[in-house]
Amino acid sequence: DVKVTQSSRYLVKRTGEKVFLECVQDMDHENMFWYRQDPGLGLRLIYFSYDVKMKEKGDIPEGYSVSREKKERFSLILESASTNQTSMYLCASRTGGSGNTIYFGEGSWLTVV
Amino acid sequence: AQTVTQSQPEMSVQEAETVTLSCTYDTSESDYYLFWYKQPPSRQMILVIRQEAYKQQNATENRFSVNFQKAAKSFSLKISDSQLGDAAMYFCAYRSDAGNMLTFGGGTRLMVKP
Repeated sequence: DVKVTQSSRYLVKRTGEKVFLECVQDMDHENMFWYRQDPGLGLRLIYFSYDVKMKEKGDIPEGYSVSREKKERFSLILESASTNQTSMYLCASRTGGSGNTIYFGEGSWLTVV
Repeated sequence: AQTVTQSQPEMSVQEAETVTLSCTYDTSESDYYLFWYKQPPSRQMILVIRQEAYKQQNATENRFSVNFQKAAKSFSLKISDSQLGDAAMYFCAYRSDAGNMLTFGGGTRLMVKP
């Protein structure tokens, strides 16, 4: 089974702190994604990566950056956390080619106070 | 840009009954994929069913089936013989054939009454 693991399920951070959310997948997938989930808004794509060191902005990249130094690991970085970044963050991965299923991690619930 | 709309924020169904969740989407592309995902309270997103736009036949997976109306850009999910374990958030999602990104609807919370 494909496994997408997010290192932290629940985090509480202070405004202005730098926050790292880590995601690891074990199926050698080329593509990895970070989504943000908010009630009524569904999931919105923050960034995705299609290869090591490659990234593209999603729909809501402002206030976030990402890092992909190894194929299996994709990190989401909040340079200076703000209260409006309190949300559930979901990591996902997918192999290349059309039609392949995307697999999600369990999510990281971030509260910024 | 593609958009996905789920017009029902909440639905409820009696156990063993049938419920239909609605989804509409907007796209100018002809080749794409549509998905229904389930997110139980544990938060792990699970793929329920997938439909390729080039297939006219509606996808089915056990108690789950879709009604795909390509011209109307509609993609509804029917759950038959509802079970307590079906209670969850359900998300409709779109991905173009050439694209990497999934576009999600806002979600529908399904409650199942015993």
